[in-house]
Amino acid sequence: GAGVSQSPSNKVTEKGKDVELRCDPISGHTALYWYRQSLGQGLEFLIYFQGNSAPDKSGLPSDRFSAERTGGSVSTLTIQRTQQEDSAVYLCASSLFFGELFFGEGSRLTVL
Amino acid sequence: GIQVEQSPPDLILQEGANSTLRCNFSDSVNNLQWFHQNPWGQLINLFYIPSGTKQNGRLSATTVATERYSLLYISSSQTTDSGVYFCAGQTGANNLFFGTGTRLTVIP
Repeated sequence: GAGVSQSPSNKVTEKGKDVELRCDPISGHTALYWYRQSLGQGLEFLIYFQGNSAPDKSGLPSDRFSAERTGGSVSTLTIQRTQQEDSAVYLCASSLFFGELFFGEGSRLTVL
Repeated sequence: GIQVEQSPPDLILQEGANSTLRCNFSDSVNNLQWFHQNPWGQLINLFYIPSGTKQNGRLSATTVATERYSLLYISSSQTTDSGVYFCAGQTGANNLFFGTGTRLTVIP
């Protein structure tokens, strides 16, 4: 597609359930980033994929969070046993190596 | 990682006024970019500016890489300029670090 696509746009789940968030980056972009933004706050880095290199997972807040990127394209962020503090907008972005970053519209997660 | 400091944190302008937003980095960065997050949450890339000066309409940006800072100029501000402005930079092949943002409100 023309831009970064994220799904679902909204997800409401119950505490303790697992959720999967999907990101489809711009075709040909080698770098893919996941960030989290709580209401009124800045962007919290979660994980960074660059080509075939090992991902930078240093921002993942706990072992309940994981992400993968299949075939150098689509990425899935998985949150296991969700907690209320996981409620936020999860943003995905992609770029060429050292290029302009383009964001998707985000996935809003609400944990009840 | 690097520290990214943005100033001012909040700014209120009368429509038509000019403003300057600043971004300081704790270390040398490459891949410096400015973003605007509109009130609906969408993040738009304004400038990719690792060094030098660029202009796009009423907006311009200058990065002085040797001094580790960048400036975003907004001239003749409009209500549609409201939102949060973020800068971000990268060191080496590491991830892109974001500042805490400047929240701009333009009043008619």
